[in-house]
Amino acid sequence: DADVTQTPRNRITKTGKRIMLECSQTKGHDRMYWYRQDPGLGLQLIYYSFDVKDINKGEISDGYSVSRQAQAKFSLSLESAIPNQTALYFCATSDRTGELFFGEGSRLTVL
Amino acid sequence: GQNIDQPTEMTATEGAIVQINCTYQTSGFNGLFWYQQHAGEAPTFLSYNVLDGLEEKGRFSSFLSRSKGYSYLLLKELQMKDSASYLCAVPSEGGATNKLIFGTGTLLAVQP
Repeated sequence: DADVTQTPRNRITKTGKRIMLECSQTKGHDRMYWYRQDPGLGLQLIYYSFDVKDINKGEISDGYSVSRQAQAKFSLSLESAIPNQTALYFCATSDRTGELFFGEGSRLTVL
Repeated sequence: GQNIDQPTEMTATEGAIVQINCTYQTSGFNGLFWYQQHAGEAPTFLSYNVLDGLEEKGRFSSFLSRSKGYSYLLLKELQMKDSASYLCAVPSEGGATNKLIFGTGTLLAVQP
């Protein structure tokens, strides 16, 4: 089983719908992240959390929100999806060494 | 702010050596990471350099010069499976560890 699990892996939705992407980890790491990847733009940090009571905005947080329900769970929400949020989303975890461990990605298409 | 530059694409031949460069500008430097990402898959960790010099790990080596804001990833004895994107990443401003900012990646195509 994967150490960092994302659900759903693929999702097609319509403009204006609320979408939640979920991430759970079994690595026991305190630090969790959500990144977005678009062709030609690389990985961009949306939100990150260094522990259960800590939430921080990344480079591109507008239009997104997150919830750290437990040490092992970090979810990303799009309250009202728009087409330019079509992208590949990655959850990641790390310990204090800095190495990131990524989930397998969630491909979101907003029509 | 931070700025990370990598070539967009490179092509190399199976069995050859290729060097992928990365230049960065950041305050409070706290290491540089290289990740490999195959198409449609998650990035995977390759190397971490925090001191100047060359770190060798099998066919892959990574070099860092902090004074020049420069790193490279060296891939030897290229194999077809090395065709992937290679991402350079540094911690964010202020040296905050573990909040990595990524370059746009270099797409390497290995040809027979």
